[in-house]
Parts: sequence; C-alpha cells; structure tokens
Amino acid sequence: AQSVTQLGSHVSVSEGALVLLRCNYSSSVPPYLFWYVQYPNQGLQLLLKYTSAATLVKGINGFEAEFKKSETSFHLTKPSAHMSDAAEYFCAVSVVDSGYALNFGKGTSLLVTP
Amino acid sequence: EAGVAQSPRYKIIEKRQSVAFWCNPISGHATLYWYQQILGQGPKLLIQFQNNGVVDDSQLPKDRFSAERLKGVDSTLKIQPAKLEDSAVYLCASSRTTNTEAFFGQGTRLTVV
Repeated sequence: AQSVTQLGSHVSVSEGALVLLRCNYSSSVPPYLFWYVQYPNQGLQLLLKYTSAATLVKGINGFEAEFKKSETSFHLTKPSAHMSDAAEYFCAVSVVDSGYALNFGKGTSLLVTP
Repeated sequence: EAGVAQSPRYKIIEKRQSVAFWCNPISGHATLYWYQQILGQGPKLLIQFQNNGVVDDSQLPKDRFSAERLKGVDSTLKIQPAKLEDSAVYLCASSRTTNTEAFFGQGTRLTVV
C-alpha cells in the first residue's frame, strides 16, 4: 500500500523567507505525487503534481517541488513566503493499483509571520 | 466551468440520527470520490465511483455509511445512524478520468452532538 508522511504538523516562517514543507512517500509501484493547499472552510486546491515526467515540478503561486526517488521525497518549496501563503498543505500519493485515488498525509499548517 | 457543488455546507445532528450529503460533480467527469476529513487530519477516501459503478469502497463503514451515484452524475452519501466520531468535513471530488486531476468541492461540515 502507498502512503505519505509529512514531517512537521506546524511550520512557521517569516514573510519573505524560504518555505520548505517536507513529504516522504512509500510506494511499491511508480507513484504520482501531489501537493494540495486548503484555506479555512474551503476545499482543496491543487498546487502541483508529479506524474513521471520532469522531476522538478513548478506549480501555482510560485511553489515548486522536486521528486527524488533515491530519498523517496517530494518536498514543497517557495523562495519567498507571502502572508497569503498561510494555510494547510497536504501531500498526497496515488498509484494505478488503487484506481489513482489520492492518499493524503496528515497535513502541515503553515504560519507566516510579518 | 462550474466547480464541484456540495450541499449542505453545514449540518448539526444528534447521535443516532441520519443525515445525507449531496454532490454534483463537474460536468463530464466520470470519476467521483467521497473523502472524510476529521479535524487535524488529512482527507481519507471513503468511496470512489467510475460512472455509476463502485471502484473502491474498502474504507467505507458499510454498517452505517452508504453512497450511490445513480445515472453516473450526482451522488449522495448517507450516514445512518450517526455516531459522535462521524463529526468531520465530508469532501466530494471529481475528475475526468481516474488518472487526471481531481477537483474538490468546499465540503460539508458535519457535527454530531
């Protein structure tokens, strides 16, 4: 079975600082990997996805993530945090064996301080 | 295009009562998912439909939860009878096919008292 582990349930950064949210995956077959963002009382919005093409994936709002098979990681980064980035971030994995249904991590709450 | 529509947005019920949630996916999307998101956790898949057939319902508590997608469009998720631990946000998502981007609705927040 496939799974993801998000390291750090809460991350705090200063406005303008680097954002790094960590995600490690486990899968016995080639995975698709995703990062979603959730604002309060909203559904989930896709930030970016890896589907076996380029290992460095660029997403919306200046976010990017790099798929590293050797480290089984898919960390999310943004060079400069903005106040509007404060939200809950979820890493997710899907594989063909499970009908490509998303299997989510527990989430990381990002706080951006002035 | 219109997004995934869910109703109601909020629901408060007493334990042992029944409740139903409705989802209207994006037009043309064959795949529909129901997720349960308990406070402080990531969403957990309850059931996945492909058109009007069930692809995966292995994590659906079938003694109290049921879901249907008649005609392969709208879907309803029902809980009967509800327990306190069913308090959560119920998210519906749809995708054009199984391996394409899933779009999420805003969810229904259920509180069982």
